[in-house]
Amino acid sequence: GAVVSQHPSRVICKSGTSVKIECRSLDFQATTMFWYRQFPKQSLMLMATSNEGSKATYEQGVEKDKFLINHASLTLSTLTVTSAHPEDSSFYICSAPHRGERKFTEAFFGQGTRLTVV
Amino acid sequence: AQKITQTQPGMFVQEKEAVTLDCTYDTSDQSYGLFWYKQPSSGEMIFLIYQGSYDEQNATEGRYSLNFQKARKSANLVISASQLGDSAMYFCAMREYNYGQNFVFGPGTRLSVLP
Repeated sequence: GAVVSQHPSRVICKSGTSVKIECRSLDFQATTMFWYRQFPKQSLMLMATSNEGSKATYEQGVEKDKFLINHASLTLSTLTVTSAHPEDSSFYICSAPHRGERKFTEAFFGQGTRLTVV
Repeated sequence: AQKITQTQPGMFVQEKEAVTLDCTYDTSDQSYGLFWYKQPSSGEMIFLIYQGSYDEQNATEGRYSLNFQKARKSANLVISASQLGDSAMYFCAMREYNYGQNFVFGPGTRLSVLP
């Protein structure tokens, strides 16, 4: 089946540094990638939608300059958290919609990245 | 307004018993899909079951079934013969095919299976 590979799974960084999270679709072309943020015991909140070859669409309240999204190819989308601060510590997860073997479009998720900013 | 409502923040069920997790949704789109995902403590999102708005039969996938009541806009997940490994967060989600095509998630229900 379709697989989205997300790296790193866990990262600890110092306050003020930048962190890049990668999501790769391994056996299908992902023209769209959704990026979510999840705080402990809460649901997934959509941050932005990236489309290959065009600028990402950010949800209200999400800082574009802080969360840089690049979707340079049909198999790779990246999220860079710039100048990270402790309040950016969270679980970040990507998903790509794809019509796979089940004959309907479902969301294929990466494994998630747990970011801790110290 | 919340598009997806899950009114049960937490649920307990005895091992081998059945449990129903509630989900109601709000949409004016005629074409939409409803999904249930399981999220264990590792964080991965595991697809469980799908129901299309035009599907006349309730979806089933092994021990999972979806009780779809379109007029009531509810899509409850039924897990039969609960297992200890079913303990996790469960999210109901919807995709509106004519409006934006995002997947919108409910707040989730934490299910704990008791031995």
